Amino acid sequence: NAGVTQTPKFQVLKTGQSMTLQCAQDMNHEYMSWYRQDPGMGLRLIHYSVGAGITDQGEVPNGYNVSRSTTEDFPLRLLSAAPSQTSVYFCASSYSGFQVTNTEAFFGQGTRLTVV
Amino acid sequence: GQQVMQIPQYQHVQEGEDFTTYCNSSTTLSNIQWYKQRPGGHPVFLIQLVKSGEVKKQKRLTFQFGEAKKNSSLHITATQTTDVGTYFCAGSTTSGTYKYIFGTGTRLKVLA
Repeated sequence: NAGVTQTPKFQVLKTGQSMTLQCAQDMNHEYMSWYRQDPGMGLRLIHYSVGAGITDQGEVPNGYNVSRSTTEDFPLRLLSAAPSQTSVYFCASSYSGFQVTNTEAFFGQGTRLTVV
Repeated sequence: GQQVMQIPQYQHVQEGEDFTTYCNSSTTLSNIQWYKQRPGGHPVFLIQLVKSGEVKKQKRLTFQFGEAKKNSSLHITATQTTDVGTYFCAGSTTSGTYKYIFGTGTRLKVLA
């Protein structure tokens, strides 16, 4: 049982480059989200999705795009990388939110991104 | 927008001492979750609290949700070196969604 899989684990980009961080889950979870983690800032929500075809912005969406064409996948796209986007990125998924007791989030291993 | 603050930011304790971290939200929460992140790892779910005034225990860990559902605490009794890590709270203001806003975290270091 793979859970939440993120790729790549590490990435170095040059300023202005674009790339996609991949996230896949095999638990049939409806809810998926992307967070970035910076020292002293905790985890900040970038974008989230409540199901295939539905996405919404979180706290820090600028510079990032998402789409959700399938239940399993939720890629995060950096359109034009900037040094301020250097961070550790976590993808998370959870069961349907209609049952409040089942909203435990499962996190991927993270992607450490450096923009130079 | 919704803000979730945690104090303290850092805490160093001697092994065997108790530890408490506090989480405060600017808005009333539907429920609150707690996560633990080991150094270099990813957040791992510990517990979810839903009811006003709720108290839950997991061995040496005690979690509490405030009566007004705007604050929460995590207390660890007799810390061990395995408790090292960063503890995050995450609050949701809307029942039934996963738009959880995370607190800033408390990094715990346990000195043997």
